[in-house]
Amino acid sequence: QKEVEQDPGPLSVPEGAIVSLNCTYSNSAFQYFMWYRQYSRKGPELLMYTYSSGNKEDGRFTAQVDKSSKYISLFIRDSQPSDSATYLCAILGDALIFGKGTTLSVSS
Amino acid sequence: DAGVIQSPRHEVTEMGQEVTLRCKPISGHDYLFWYRQTMMRGLELLIYFNNNVPIDDSGMPEDRFSAKMPNASFSTLKIQPSEPRDSAVYFCASTSGQSSYNEQFFGPGTRLTVL
Repeated sequence: QKEVEQDPGPLSVPEGAIVSLNCTYSNSAFQYFMWYRQYSRKGPELLMYTYSSGNKEDGRFTAQVDKSSKYISLFIRDSQPSDSATYLCAILGDALIFGKGTTLSVSS
Repeated sequence: DAGVIQSPRHEVTEMGQEVTLRCKPISGHDYLFWYRQTMMRGLELLIYFNNNVPIDDSGMPEDRFSAKMPNASFSTLKIQPSEPRDSAVYFCASTSGQSSYNEQFFGPGTRLTVL
């Protein structure tokens, strides 16, 4: 089993939709959970991070961690065409372990 | 700060040739990472350095791959000889060990095509 699993999509939604992106992980010792956003032909950039369990909100974005289920989520409210990108979950072990990324397309 | 700088941005070469990718991390960062990204395998960690010392190279796929960090402001990833299956985007990233969650700052990547 890979340490981090992420559905690659692609995911296509209309503008204004609520988007849910998810990852599962295998090691219950992980404490830091991150979401990186990668625009086409660019390097990934940190979008949000969460420590341990719970929710963290930043504008239209909410990161959620459920350690009992080993499940992390990123919710995007009122999605915009500018949100079209690949979203990679990442978990901090000895080094960052990335999911494969989910490609999101938001149409206007 | 200019961010992480990588060169070249694009490289097209023929099978068997030597390829050298270059990276300048953000000043003050003491960790440097080399990643490879493909559609099939996603973003894979190849090797990382701390204070110029290689810490974990278990992701380096074969002996054809080597990486060096001669000083705090420069690193290279070399492939010799290159093969078509090495075609990918190679990213360099850096971070400070002072950050508890180790936010990594990525360069723009080098898109390598081996014919």
